[in-house]
Amino acid sequence: EAQVTQNPRYLITVTGKKLTVTCSQNMNHEYMSWYRQDPGLGLRQIYYSMNVEVTDKGDVPEGYKVSRKEKRNFPLILESPSPNQTSLYFCASGGAHYTDTQYFGPGTRLTVL
Amino acid sequence: ILNVEQSPQSLHVQEGDSTNFTCSFPSSNFYALHWYRWETAKSPEALFVMTLNGDEKKKGRISATLNTKEGYSYLYIKGSQPEDSATYLCAFPALNYQLIWGAGTKLIIKP
Repeated sequence: EAQVTQNPRYLITVTGKKLTVTCSQNMNHEYMSWYRQDPGLGLRQIYYSMNVEVTDKGDVPEGYKVSRKEKRNFPLILESPSPNQTSLYFCASGGAHYTDTQYFGPGTRLTVL
Repeated sequence: ILNVEQSPQSLHVQEGDSTNFTCSFPSSNFYALHWYRWETAKSPEALFVMTLNGDEKKKGRISATLNTKEGYSYLYIKGSQPEDSATYLCAFPALNYQLIWGAGTKLIIKP
């Protein structure tokens, strides 16, 4: 089944404790991205990647890191999480053309205490 | 800074009524305009990709139009049903492939 998977789906952590949210897709997509969704603000892109070893900042990259060592995986790393990073996070993948649809993972709800 | 705006922010519609809402985007460097539907507790799913000025796309009771010269797209829902309740998002791909999203229109259908 073609899909984008994220883990974990829910996470409660404390300020400063490094965490990684994994994202994997099995559709051989070039383009992958991370979003956060906060009430009233819609989807804001954190980072995106056009292909292996190519990553770019989105709207809100501060406090996040990403890597794209393999085409299928695009982990999101929070080196020192803070309460303002409490949010719903989505990973998405798609083709690398402007007209290509993005396919979203199920979301990760992160709470930083 | 590129900006994509959607209006209204939320909309309550009686079941059976038709409705529409707007996505405004930059009219320069246009490549495509995407519409997504996002149901509560699920992930956004693609509805339409629109590329040509004057384009009209249709999927069942939902249709969309595009005006690239003035920078707007309308989404129409005919004969709203409870299952149409969702947040409708539009997204504009920028030159550098960053996707710029509107904040969405939350549609609530009242039975």
